[in-house]
Amino acid sequence: KNEVEQSPQNLTAQEGEFITINCSYSVGISALHWLQQHPGGGIVSLFMLSSGKKKHGRLIATINIQEKHSSLHITASHPRDSAVYICAVMDSNYQLIWGAGTKLIIKP
Amino acid sequence: EAQVTQNPRYLITVTGKKLTVTCSQNMNHEYMSWYRQDPGLGLRQIYYSMNVEVTDKGDVPEGYKVSRKEKRNFPLILESPSPNQTSLYFCASSRLAGFTDTQYFGPGTRLTVL
Repeated sequence: KNEVEQSPQNLTAQEGEFITINCSYSVGISALHWLQQHPGGGIVSLFMLSSGKKKHGRLIATINIQEKHSSLHITASHPRDSAVYICAVMDSNYQLIWGAGTKLIIKP
Repeated sequence: EAQVTQNPRYLITVTGKKLTVTCSQNMNHEYMSWYRQDPGLGLRQIYYSMNVEVTDKGDVPEGYKVSRKEKRNFPLILESPSPNQTSLYFCASSRLAGFTDTQYFGPGTRLTVL
């Protein structure tokens, strides 16, 4: 069983829909990151969380430390949001553990 | 503009021909690292550097070398490339060590070793 699991693996939605991507982990962590990888390959760091909730534009990230779960939400989704979204955690030993990514396609 | 640059962006080479992929950041970050990304395996860390002249192995260091002579530069060296090093490579930097801070990634270098 992977220590960081993302769901769904693939997600296709229509423009304007509310999107939720989930990340569950089984280890104690010091931080959790959400990253976005565009079709061209570039990687952008979206959020770093250790508790609570963060918002940036149409993106919202939440984390529940007790349940070892984080979600990334996209409101009013747009085709330019199409990308692979990656969850990565730093465990208490400062080891990096990566999720497999969620491929999101937003259709116009 | 804050950025991490990598060169070259694309490279096709042959087995055994030494190559260097350069990485440079303009944010005065102390921490820099190299990753490779392969289908189905996600990102794996090759080497990292906590500061000038301080480097350490990541998860998959075999076949790679790095150096950190200046704070801004962190080149990745493949002394004798082999086909299993065909991959997409990313350099990243951050103000603080590891993933305790926001990571800034370079645009990636797609390497093919024939």
